[in-house]
Amino acid sequence: KQEVTQIPAALSVPEGENLVLNCSFTDSAIYNLQWFRQDPGKGLTSLLLIQSSQREQTSGRLNASLDKSSGRSTLYIAASQPGDSATYLCAANTNAGKSTFGDGTTLTVKP
Amino acid sequence: SQTIHQWPATLVQPVGSPLSLECTVEGTSNPNLYWYRQAAGRGLQLLFYSVGIGQISSEVPQNLSASRPQDRQFILSSKKLLLSDSGFYLCAWSVRRDYGYTFGSGTRLTVV
Repeated sequence: KQEVTQIPAALSVPEGENLVLNCSFTDSAIYNLQWFRQDPGKGLTSLLLIQSSQREQTSGRLNASLDKSSGRSTLYIAASQPGDSATYLCAANTNAGKSTFGDGTTLTVKP
Repeated sequence: SQTIHQWPATLVQPVGSPLSLECTVEGTSNPNLYWYRQAAGRGLQLLFYSVGIGQISSEVPQNLSASRPQDRQFILSSKKLLLSDSGFYLCAWSVRRDYGYTFGSGTRLTVV
C-alpha cells in the first residue's frame, strides 16, 4: 500500500527566503506525481505535474523534482512571498489511476 | 477550456437528514470523476470514483453513496447523515492519467 509523507507539517519563513518542501512515497511504481496548493477552506489548485520519466518541472518561481528510485519529490519555492502562504500537498498517482495524498505542509511566509 | 463546478460551498444539515452534493464538469467528454473527503489538517481520502456513466467504485464503506446519471455529472448522497459525515468534500476529474487531476472548490459539510 502506497504511503505518502510530507515533512515538515508546518513551516514559517521570512519573506524572500528560498525554501524546499519534501514529499516521500513508499512505492516507486508511480505514473506521475502532482503538487497542489490549497488555501484555507478552498479546493486544490494544481501547481506542477511530473511524469515518472521526468526529473523536474518548473513554473515561475516553483520547481518540482522527482527521484523515483529514492521515493522522493521536492517542491522548491524561490524568493517566497506572503501570497505563497498556503498548504501544499503532493499526490502520488499510479498506473491504475489511483492516487495517494500526503497530509500537506502548511507554509507561512511572514512579511 | 475545462471547468468543474461543485455546490453548495457550505452546508449545515441535522443528523438523520438526507444529503445531495453535485459536481459537474464542462469542456470535456468521458472524464474520470472522483469524490474525496478531507479531514481537518489531513490529506485526502478517496470515497468514490467513476470511469463512466453508471460505473461507480467505492473505496471506503461509508454512510454515503455516489451516482453518475450523466457523463459529466457526479452526485454524492446519503439517506441519513451522521455526525461523523462532517468534513470537506472535494470533487475532481481527470481525462488521461498523464494530465493529473483537477479539483472543484469543495463543500464544507457540518452535521449538527
